[in-house]
Amino acid sequence: DGGITQSPKYLFRKEGQNVTLSCEQNLNHDAMYWYRQDPGQGLRLIYYSQIVNDFQKGDIAEGYSVSREKKESFPLTVTSAQKNPTAFYLCASSSGRAGELFFGEGSRLTVL
Amino acid sequence: GIQVEQSPPDLILQEGANSTLRCNFSDSVNNLQWFHQNPWGQLINLFYIPSGTKQNGRLSATTVATERYSLLYISSSQTTDSGVYFCAVTREKLVFGKGTKLTVNP
Repeated sequence: DGGITQSPKYLFRKEGQNVTLSCEQNLNHDAMYWYRQDPGQGLRLIYYSQIVNDFQKGDIAEGYSVSREKKESFPLTVTSAQKNPTAFYLCASSSGRAGELFFGEGSRLTVL
Repeated sequence: GIQVEQSPPDLILQEGANSTLRCNFSDSVNNLQWFHQNPWGQLINLFYIPSGTKQNGRLSATTVATERYSLLYISSSQTTDSGVYFCAVTREKLVFGKGTKLTVNP
């Protein structure tokens, strides 16, 4: 089935450790996105990529890094520089900038 | 940048009731989507509707692009409709509203 797969669904890490969240899509979409959601809040854009080997900062990119080496994959690294990393992270993809957006099931990161 | 406002912020219904959720946006947009975030956090696509009216079962949506608003109608609500409903618009980039939290009681 076509879709977006995020892993892991739940992740616990100690403060100061970098963590990488995986996002894979088989929808043949060019554009991919990472969003952060805090409890009771809306979605905030971290990074997005419209094409392989290119990505742009979103509204809250500080403390995060991404790569886009393959069309299907857009991993997000939460670095130790991110001051409040505990959150729900959502990956999404679309066929183009104004195309319909589809989301993965999300990854819930808790930093102890 | 473009502003997206959703109303009401919270809505509590009894099962079987109908409801209308509203999304206002401050400038012309290339597209508009409605999503339902279920209690487990997953965002489900409801409608991709830059203009006009679409229906899918008990749900329908209307976007009046010239007047910069969209409406989501939920008829005969069920407890499984509970969650947060987001609208998102694209101009230079995708912008989400803050959502409407819907609670449907049995």
